[in-house]
This record gives sequence, structure tokens and C-alpha cells, in this order.
Amino acid sequence: KAGVTQTPRYLIKTRGQQVTLSCSPISGHRSVSWYQQTPGQGLQFLFEYFSETQRNKGNFPGRFSGRQFSNSRSEMNVSTLELGDSALYLCASSLAKTGTGELFFGEGSRLTVL
Amino acid sequence: EDQVTQSPEALRLQEGESSSLNCSYTVSGLRGLFWYRQDPGKGPEFLFTLYSAGEEKEKERLKATLTKKESFLHITAPKPEDSATYLCAVLRETSGSRLTFGEGTQLTVNP
Repeated sequence: KAGVTQTPRYLIKTRGQQVTLSCSPISGHRSVSWYQQTPGQGLQFLFEYFSETQRNKGNFPGRFSGRQFSNSRSEMNVSTLELGDSALYLCASSLAKTGTGELFFGEGSRLTVL
Repeated sequence: EDQVTQSPEALRLQEGESSSLNCSYTVSGLRGLFWYRQDPGKGPEFLFTLYSAGEEKEKERLKATLTKKESFLHITAPKPEDSATYLCAVLRETSGSRLTFGEGTQLTVNP
């Protein structure tokens, strides 16, 4: 059974640009969450989606947005990139509709902003 | 605001030398406490869920316990392949699947 797939794995952008990251959950999983991981802040929650609906949003500025498609695949977008957006962006999926901490993480998309 | 503090930040052990990692938490209405393992360049891998004080879970050389204020991850006779960062996270009753993570303990087990 394939795990959570994230693309691209690595990318380099410059300040002011925008980026779109993609996540394909485990087959059958309809919940997708996104986390940002940095050395200083650790793992911080970005969004949670189920059946194309955003169920939860973390404390990030409006430059961070996401969506989920009918096939449960998800994308997140960061506009007007800042140096501080450099991080590992992790996607996780779960079987449960919500209310579970048993998440299956992908290997992440490492974003570097220059 | 939910808070999770892990200690120590880093731990070096010799193979076979047992030890414990600590996770202290403050959360209003705990739904569950979760332990994850993260290897370099990989996403976190789920290990355990603990729901109530007094609960214990075991998996191979790892044993997780929970009190009302903290959780411990006991590692018995560790092997070099146990080297990883161990992350603790809490889930509040009312927060869907939004986890609050600690910063982790980086464990190195030397042969």
C-alpha cells in the first residue's frame, strides 16, 4: 500500500514568489492535514481538510492557503514568499473524519526561500 | 494555549543502556497524547496513542506511559537503529485532528 506522496520533494524560490505543494494521501484516506516544520518552531499545524472542506486552520497569515480535491488529493499554496517560510512542509493523512492524532506523514517538501 | 515540552533536547546512549524521555504537557481537555519517531529526511512515524492517566503501551524496546501532567517514553536496551528524533504531541478534545507537538528529543545510540 503506497504511503503519503508529496511533490516536489525539494524546491528553491526567491522572496516574493509563490509556491504550490501537492499531497496525495494513502488510498482510502479522506482526511489531510498540513504541518510546517522548522528548527526553531518545530512542527506547527497549518490546515486540516476532509471531503474538500477545511475543518481547521492554524495561526498562519493569509498568504498560506490550501484546498482539497474530490479525490482527496490536497494542495497548499504560499504567496509572496518570505525568508522565514523556508521549512519542511509535511502532509499527513488519516482514515478518521476528524479527532484523531494517528496520522500518516509523507516525507515532506523542503522549501528554501532565497 | 496548549504547551508541550520535551526533555532532554538530545540524548546519547550506549547500546544496551536504558533510559527515558520526558514529555510535559499543558492542555485543556486532553483527547490523547501521541508519540512519533522521525528519522532524518523523513516524515514522523506514529508510535503510540495514550488516552488516560495510568495507561501504558509497548512496542519492542519502547514503552510509553502517561500521567496527568507528563508522559515518558522508556527505551530498554536500545540498539543503534533506535537512533531518531522522538516527538510528543497532544490533541485537545475540541481541536479536530490539530496536534500540538513538542520540539522533540534527538536520541543517538552508539554501538
